[in-house]
Amino acid sequence: GENVEQHPSTLSVQEGDSAVIKCTYSDSASNYFPWYKQELGKRPQLIIDIRSNVGEKKDQRIAVTLNKTAKHFSLHITETQPEDSAVYFCAADSGNTPLVFGKGTRLSVIA
Amino acid sequence: DVKVTQSSRYLVKRTGEKVFLECVQDMDHENMFWYRQDPGLGLRLIYFSYDVKMKEKGDIPEGYSVSREKKERFSLILESASTNQTSMYLCASMGGGLNTEAFFGQGTRLTVV
Repeated sequence: GENVEQHPSTLSVQEGDSAVIKCTYSDSASNYFPWYKQELGKRPQLIIDIRSNVGEKKDQRIAVTLNKTAKHFSLHITETQPEDSAVYFCAADSGNTPLVFGKGTRLSVIA
Repeated sequence: DVKVTQSSRYLVKRTGEKVFLECVQDMDHENMFWYRQDPGLGLRLIYFSYDVKMKEKGDIPEGYSVSREKKERFSLILESASTNQTSMYLCASMGGGLNTEAFFGQGTRLTVV
């Protein structure tokens, strides 16, 4: 089955700096890669996703890149703000089996 | 706005008790899931269901069962609670195909003493 590895497990950045979180997956049939953000005490919520027919997607300060050949995808947050502090989960989905999540990255943005 | 509601935010149960965690969604989604969230282990899939009365085992089904008698409701059952089942439990639902957004409930923090 699918296996998703996520790095780093914790990340601290200064406000205004960029943050990058990386994930790898094992199942070449996976074709949907969402990212979820979980703020402290709240439920995970989708912030951005990418499908295998595109290599990059942007939404304001966040972007996701996908390299299907290498089976890895990354989340990029620019101009980080304190409200970006949260746990971020990547996931992979082949459409035939449920989402498989990475173990999460705790991002701390230091003002 | 999709709503996924879990019946309890916090629960404390005794070892050996039978525990029911309820989840209801209001968007007529076919797919529903139960995840367990532990620090450093991420979200691990316990059971999922693609339709009423259907259920499939996830990655960590041991010690759990599920029930889906109605499309909007998916219940997680701990037949005989143990201390190693102390955790945060998250329900999620997803409509259409599987390549769509998952909507999560607010979570139930279960403590087994």
